[in-house]
Amino acid sequence: GENVEQHPSTLSVQEGDSAVIKCTYSDSASNYFPWYKQELGKRPQLIIDIRSNVGEKKDQRIAVTLNKTAKHFSLHITETQPEDSAVYFCAATEAGTALIFGKGTTLSVSS
Amino acid sequence: EAGVAQSPRYKIIEKRQSVAFWCNPISGHATLYWYQQILGQGPKLLIQFQNNGVVDDSQLPKDRFSAERLKGVDSTLKIQPAKLEDSAVYLCASSPSQTVNTEAFFGQGTRLTVV
Repeated sequence: GENVEQHPSTLSVQEGDSAVIKCTYSDSASNYFPWYKQELGKRPQLIIDIRSNVGEKKDQRIAVTLNKTAKHFSLHITETQPEDSAVYFCAATEAGTALIFGKGTTLSVSS
Repeated sequence: EAGVAQSPRYKIIEKRQSVAFWCNPISGHATLYWYQQILGQGPKLLIQFQNNGVVDDSQLPKDRFSAERLKGVDSTLKIQPAKLEDSAVYLCASSPSQTVNTEAFFGQGTRLTVV
């Protein structure tokens, strides 16, 4: 089955800096890669996703890149703000199967 | 659009007791998932339903956990008997498509503490 590795487990940045979180996956059949943000005590919420037919996707300050050959994908947050502080999870899946999540990255943005 | 509803929000039980969680997915969503999220970890899939059929329950500890989705809508997850290591947040999620991966919408979760 699919296995998703995520790093770093914690990331501290200054407000305005960029943050990068990286994930690798094991199953070459996976074709959908979402990123979820989970604030303390709240539900995970989708912030961006990418499919295997696309190499990069951007939405304002966040972007995701995918390298299918190397089986890794990354989340990039630019101009970080204190409200970006949360736990971020990457996930991978193929059609019809459930999301398999990484262990999460705790991002702390200090002002 | 109403979100995924779960109840209860919190539950404290003693080990060896039983407990049940309830989930009402977003209307029309064919796929329903139960995940277990232990503190400091990512959600771990317990079971996936497609309508009222089980797609994947390979990670469900079947000696103590059971789940059902009657009429392809609401779902319940039961633990009997509970162990200390079952302390976690149990997240229910749903997604609309049966064949194409799309966003999974999560409920608020049920925080279970086993003492």
